[in-house]
Amino acid sequence: DAKTTQPNSMESNEEEPVHLPCNHSTISGTDYIHWYRQLPSQGPEYVIHGLTSNVNNRMASLAIAEDRKSSTLILHRATLRDAAVYYCILRDLNSGAGSYQLTFGKGTKLSVIP
Amino acid sequence: GAVVSQHPSRVICKSGTSVKIECRSLDFQATTMFWYRQFPKQSLMLMATSNEGSKATYEQGVEKDKFLINHASLTLSTLTVTSAHPEDSSFYICSARGHGQAWDSNQPQHFGDGTRLSIL
Repeated sequence: DAKTTQPNSMESNEEEPVHLPCNHSTISGTDYIHWYRQLPSQGPEYVIHGLTSNVNNRMASLAIAEDRKSSTLILHRATLRDAAVYYCILRDLNSGAGSYQLTFGKGTKLSVIP
Repeated sequence: GAVVSQHPSRVICKSGTSVKIECRSLDFQATTMFWYRQFPKQSLMLMATSNEGSKATYEQGVEKDKFLINHASLTLSTLTVTSAHPEDSSFYICSARGHGQAWDSNQPQHFGDGTRLSIL
């Protein structure tokens, strides 16, 4: 079952900020919120992750709601190279395999308009 | 940062052929590797999880005799698609996680660039 919900697609103009939302109303207290993106014909790429506090790195910022039931990935200035599918993921514990795993949903396809 | 190398990037072969895909962690020891499959316009689906030195754990509906996974070293895992048929044509992606991170959800996972397999 999907643990996160995201819009199917979003558009942004180049060099403008982009806010990609994600709902995860069933998040547990120990779940980290992970964001990955997949450019066309490539494997996924790690973007950012966080637990409670907002996080910043060279790629993006992650704003986490106080109740942790939603989060927003922020790209401060969208470029054409940011056009990708963005996945918001809470890790699943696969007890059979003995590890956490990433279960990908459908993600949000971001289009950047020149 | 950590790099995962996947080879080959593209394979085109005849039906009935067996195809081997390699996944290497270049600058870290990967105790756990994951194999995903992605059909066009769909999301990634986990096929199996492999821990170094032990048998892979396959997801429901994935045939272990058809998709052979070997994870014999801390830097190399291989996926062999045996007797491939056109319906096996897909984008196969490996991912790796470092030592001691199996039970730590606070660690990113590193992905290869994928292998596009086309069976004629």
